[in-house]
Amino acid sequence: QVQLQESGPGLVKPSQTLSLTCTVSGGSISNGAYFWSWIRQHPGKGLEWIGYVFYSGSTYYNPSLKSRVTISVDTSKNQFYLKLNSVTAADTAVYYCARVGDGVTYFLDSWGQGTLVTVSS
Amino acid sequence: SYELTQPLSVSVALGQTARITCGGNDIGGKNVHWYQQKPGQAPVLVIYRDTNRPSGIPERFSGSNSGNTATLTISRAQAGDEADYYCQVWDSSKGVFGGGTQLTVL
Repeated sequence: QVQLQESGPGLVKPSQTLSLTCTVSGGSISNGAYFWSWIRQHPGKGLEWIGYVFYSGSTYYNPSLKSRVTISVDTSKNQFYLKLNSVTAADTAVYYCARVGDGVTYFLDSWGQGTLVTVSS
Repeated sequence: SYELTQPLSVSVALGQTARITCGGNDIGGKNVHWYQQKPGQAPVLVIYRDTNRPSGIPERFSGSNSGNTATLTISRAQAGDEADYYCQVWDSSKGVFGGGTQLTVL
């Protein structure tokens, strides 16, 4: 059973870059049946899809974040990454990595536990 | 952009049936997925492609989708079903979530 685990700084200063890593275990990130995604949840709020990456490196980004987001993958490490530039307090959220179980209907069938990132000076 | 509308809260008596709706324009023509999120935990997929249950999800959870409304039905509700529930679709190359419904089991 695949497992995902987020890691990275829990505190980021405004205007800096948020960087997170998702480590996948129990399955290969190079499995072409899946996409690998980042989702966030603002405190007490709903879910927001940030984007996803395929093992080949192709990506999709939420249009509302596209100008600030980069998602990449390292198949040799079985990891994928999130970078969000020019952060503000509005980017304070729990960030989840998740597996997209179907590249046609896009459901998220496995999730990491989430990591809280606070943007504050 | 496409929007999904869920009631903020739904209450159900222990052992009864809860129905959580997800409204969207012609949502019946889309594939709807449902997630359960308990406090402090990550979401868990409970229904995918309208009616399918992942392995490990009890048969008490079922889904339907027609017209402008998708529905998650939880039969014989248990105290452990108390959680937030989110619907989700993929529309115009964008992942869209509903605002979430808090289920209370009385």
